Amino acid sequence: AAGVIQSPRHLIKEKRETATLKCYPIPRHDTVYWYQQGPGQDPQFLISFYEKMQSDKGSIPDRFSAQQFSDYHSELNMSSLELGDSALYFCASSPRTGLREQFFGPGTRLTVL
Amino acid sequence: QKEVEQNSGPLSVPEGAIASLNCTYSDRGSQSFFWYRQYSGKSPELIMFIYSNGDKEDGRFTAQLNKASQYVSLLIRDSQPSDSATYLCAVNPGGKLIFGQGTELSVKP
Repeated sequence: AAGVIQSPRHLIKEKRETATLKCYPIPRHDTVYWYQQGPGQDPQFLISFYEKMQSDKGSIPDRFSAQQFSDYHSELNMSSLELGDSALYFCASSPRTGLREQFFGPGTRLTVL
Repeated sequence: QKEVEQNSGPLSVPEGAIASLNCTYSDRGSQSFFWYRQYSGKSPELIMFIYSNGDKEDGRFTAQLNKASQYVSLLIRDSQPSDSATYLCAVNPGGKLIFGQGTELSVKP
């Protein structure tokens, strides 16, 4: 079965640089969620999109922005990177029906030096 | 107080035993509850979800929900070393998932 695809899988950036993370949801899933997981922490919700519109916003810094495109893929743009942004970034997608359970992609490990 | 609370562990059980993982939540309006398994450095993997009071069984896994007590649990029967991972409890208040801090399970051969 098709899964959520994320790219890149690993990313190394310097402080103050920018980064773009991409997410391709499972086919026919219309909602995309972004989560950030720091070392030893649980995943924290950042932002979500339903049918290309922002549906909810969590603890996402103003330096970050995201959008969902017409093909339902989503991109998380991160600017003025800080050392504390080093984390695993997961994208999840959920279907249109049922409990809308979320399936996670493999994640992008971002390291800011 | 976190919205979702779990014992961080580690919980250590011998191979073949039953592992019992517990979770409490604070929002009485929560309707659906999820258990994810996460291996170190990997993504959370959905293993069970439950939304009705009582038990739900799927293979070696049983989820239990008691909304009056705001309590969710996960039982793993015949635990295997491959079950060693962090188990995350999550609630779904209107879309986003709110996770507990996870319980680290270690199954000893």
